[in-house]
Formats: sequence, C-alpha cells, structure tokens
Amino acid sequence: GAGVSQSPRYKVAKRGQDVALRCDPISGHVSLFWYQQALGQGPEFLTYFQNEAQLDKSGLPSDRFFAERPEGSVSTLKIQRTQKEDSAVYLCASSRGGTNSYNEQFFGPGTRLTVL
Amino acid sequence: DQQVKQNSPSLSVQEGRISILNCDYTNSMFDYFLWYKKYPAEGPTFLISISSIKDKNEDGRFTVFLNKSAKHLSLHIVPSQPGDSAVYFCAASATARGNKLVFGAGTILRVKS
Repeated sequence: GAGVSQSPRYKVAKRGQDVALRCDPISGHVSLFWYQQALGQGPEFLTYFQNEAQLDKSGLPSDRFFAERPEGSVSTLKIQRTQKEDSAVYLCASSRGGTNSYNEQFFGPGTRLTVL
Repeated sequence: DQQVKQNSPSLSVQEGRISILNCDYTNSMFDYFLWYKKYPAEGPTFLISISSIKDKNEDGRFTVFLNKSAKHLSLHIVPSQPGDSAVYFCAASATARGNKLVFGAGTILRVKS
C-alpha cells in the first residue's frame, strides 16, 4: 500500500518499561509528524521532522520521549520508563512538502499504547 | 488554552439533508485549515482544506467556508449519507511555524437513514 503505516498497532506495557513505536511514511514525503491522541480528544502535536532533521520537538511531554528519523524515511518514537499517563494513541503523519508550504498531512492508523 | 474549538460534541442529521460542522480558532497566525474524518480504530483521513487567501473551497459533496474576521470555519456536507457518520476534526496550522497541526476536540456526526 502507498499509505502511512505504523507498528505495532497495539502495545501493552508494564509501568517502567521502554517502548518503541515505528512509522513508515509515504515514500518521498519530506515531512513527518508525531501526534498523541487521548481518549475523546483531538490529536496533539509531539514532534516534527523535515527529512532527517528534527525541527520541532516542543510537544514532547518529557525527556522520557525521544524520536528519530536517521535516514529521512522511517521514524521511531521511543518512550522510556513508561507511565500510566502515557496511555494514548500515537499517530504518525507525513506530508509532501517542507516548512512554508501548504500540504495536507496523511495519517497512519496509529499505535494504541496501554500502560498498566 | 484551546486554540481550535469545536463547540458541538455531536450532530445528528437525516440522510439527504445538509450537515454543517463548525470550528472556531483564536490564533491569527493560522493560515491553513483542514478537515479530517475519523472512523474507530483508524487514523484521521484528510477531507478538504482551505488556505487563508480563500473564503470557500469545494470538493464534491464537501465545502469548507472560512470567515477570517470572525475566525470561524465550517464544513458543509450535502447531501449527507449514512457512510459520512464518523468523528470530524477541524485542524489549523501556521505555515511559517512548521506546519504542525492544532486540532479541535472533534464532532461526532450521525447520519440517520
């Protein structure tokens, strides 16, 4: 398929465990975004990459959250020492252009993380 | 502070009639606005967008209207179909600040047949 894919779709972690969430953007898309969606709310921005450069990480809630996109394609969001409040759906989106361009973002299906 | 607000948590419409979903924003730096539709257990699907240089954009049954002075936009669906039943999110971005989207809380649309 040509869409954004994410894995795993569901992840259950015990409090204190580390987790890694993967995103495969649409081929050739320059920009990649991570969002967090709590139940009953809209997605909230976490971080943004333009190619391999992380241009904005202002939405990351704590230093336990880390994201990378080393080759400008696949991205991984890592959460260390997970806490119950980290339980949410993590959405990845990609778009064709970079900063200062009007481009819609295409979303993956999300990873639902549950921390027990 | 909520920069993008969707004040109606839900809307119920009869099949064939018009659905109107509303959205208000507070940040005057926003210059690009989008509507997404979301089904359960799926990611948001892009529907339609509008830039701040326009006041209307139409795509088939979907039309988005932008009123910059009121900082208000709306999505019109005509005619509504049962398959349109989903959660609709309004989103806004400031292209000069990296295109990150700021979302409203969503409106649940139910189209009754």
